[in-house]
Amino acid sequence: EMQLVESGGGLVKPGGSLRLSCAASGFTFSNVWMSWVRQAPGKGLEWVGRIKSKTEGGTTDYAAPVKGRFTISRDDSKNTLYLQINSLKTEDTGVYYCTTDQLNAPVYYYYMDVWGKGTTVTVSS
Amino acid sequence: SYELTQPPSVSVSPGQTARITCSGDALPKKYVYWYHQKSGQAPVLVIYEDIKRPSGIPERFSGSSLGTMATLTISEAQVEDEADYYCYSTDSSGDQSVFGGGTKLTVL
Repeated sequence: EMQLVESGGGLVKPGGSLRLSCAASGFTFSNVWMSWVRQAPGKGLEWVGRIKSKTEGGTTDYAAPVKGRFTISRDDSKNTLYLQINSLKTEDTGVYYCTTDQLNAPVYYYYMDVWGKGTTVTVSS
Repeated sequence: SYELTQPPSVSVSPGQTARITCSGDALPKKYVYWYHQKSGQAPVLVIYEDIKRPSGIPERFSGSSLGTMATLTISEAQVEDEADYYCYSTDSSGDQSVFGGGTKLTVL
């Protein structure tokens, strides 16, 4: 069974930092582009950024609101995706999901659309 | 930055057809993906590549796309279809992905 499990969320003061993790299983993680998506309380889904597979350069793209503060990385040896969040703001509060990213894939496999259950980040003094 | 625009809410009676639209300048060139999300749960893919339906999604869910507008249609909507629905796509370069603002579907 393909699975993604996020961890690392918690309560952080404004200006602080946090690293979220996403453990993948049930598929060949190294071949897959991955994205982070967040959802503020009572709000819609917001794409945060993605990382390509190493074979396609391993480069990253970020949404404008988070560029410069968020860093996405991956450790294919551990089948794990990371999201480093620095200079946290209250508006970063929300649930953070990791998901597979096939939007630019030459072939889209619907069964490879996998989401974790999310991890909650609360930024408050 | 690129945006996808959805109506905030759509309301229908059970058995009626619900249509949720999503507009964006890059849609003539980029596929749209539709998700539904029930409270506290992760999103679930209901339509991919504009018109395709994943296995396990009821046939009453269908998608279409023409020009800068994509539409999710739920025929004979049921109470259990009540959820928030999001369209998802990329800008013309493919570098920036974006969700629509979401549409709350009420079936009552």
